[in-house]
Amino acid sequence: AQTVTQSQPEMSVQEAETVTLSCTYDTSENNYYLFWYKQPPSRQMILVIRQEAYKQQNATENRFSVNFQKAAKSFSLKISDSQLGDTAMYFCAFMKYNAGNMLTFGGGTRLMVKP
Amino acid sequence: NAGVTQTPKFQVLKTGQSMTLQCAQDMNHEYMSWYRQDPGMGLRLIHYSVGAGITDQGEVPNGYNVSRSTTEDFPLRLLSAAPSQTSVYFCASSTLLEQFFGPGTRLTVL
Repeated sequence: AQTVTQSQPEMSVQEAETVTLSCTYDTSENNYYLFWYKQPPSRQMILVIRQEAYKQQNATENRFSVNFQKAAKSFSLKISDSQLGDTAMYFCAFMKYNAGNMLTFGGGTRLMVKP
Repeated sequence: NAGVTQTPKFQVLKTGQSMTLQCAQDMNHEYMSWYRQDPGMGLRLIHYSVGAGITDQGEVPNGYNVSRSTTEDFPLRLLSAAPSQTSVYFCASSTLLEQFFGPGTRLTVL
């Protein structure tokens, strides 16, 4: 079974600054996907970024980028130029390759962006 | 294209009552799943389906039943509600690379 750990229950950042959210995972699989999801107060789950484990290049989506360290089983999310709308819960999630699309989630990090 | 819809948005039950949470998707996805989210925790998988007529258990299946008679619908049934089932329930449908979540149902069991 896989486990996903987010060690920072809460974080805050000033608007326009950069913040990094941590995620570690444990698996014996070699092929898998990792995700970061955002959950604003509306509680809608929104995909932020996806990383395929077989790709060495770190994924980026506009202001969001990841630092994927496969050997260390680490998958951190960097948010640049933080905006007030980034205030939300952020969840790291793991999915085995070709295994029914089941996600295993971490416990989440609550991010507050301060004006 | 409505995506993933869930009904109801809110529900209050008494212990021992049964009910069905509805989930529908219009994206023709084969994969669908149900998760629950408890305060301060991430989502946990209850049941999932890889196609019509095929379902399987996730991490926390006890007290819940599912069926998948069509590609579009994947209802979740609570057989005899318990206070421990108070939670927010999310339905999702997915391609191989992305899961699309519904808006969630907040369920309270008294």
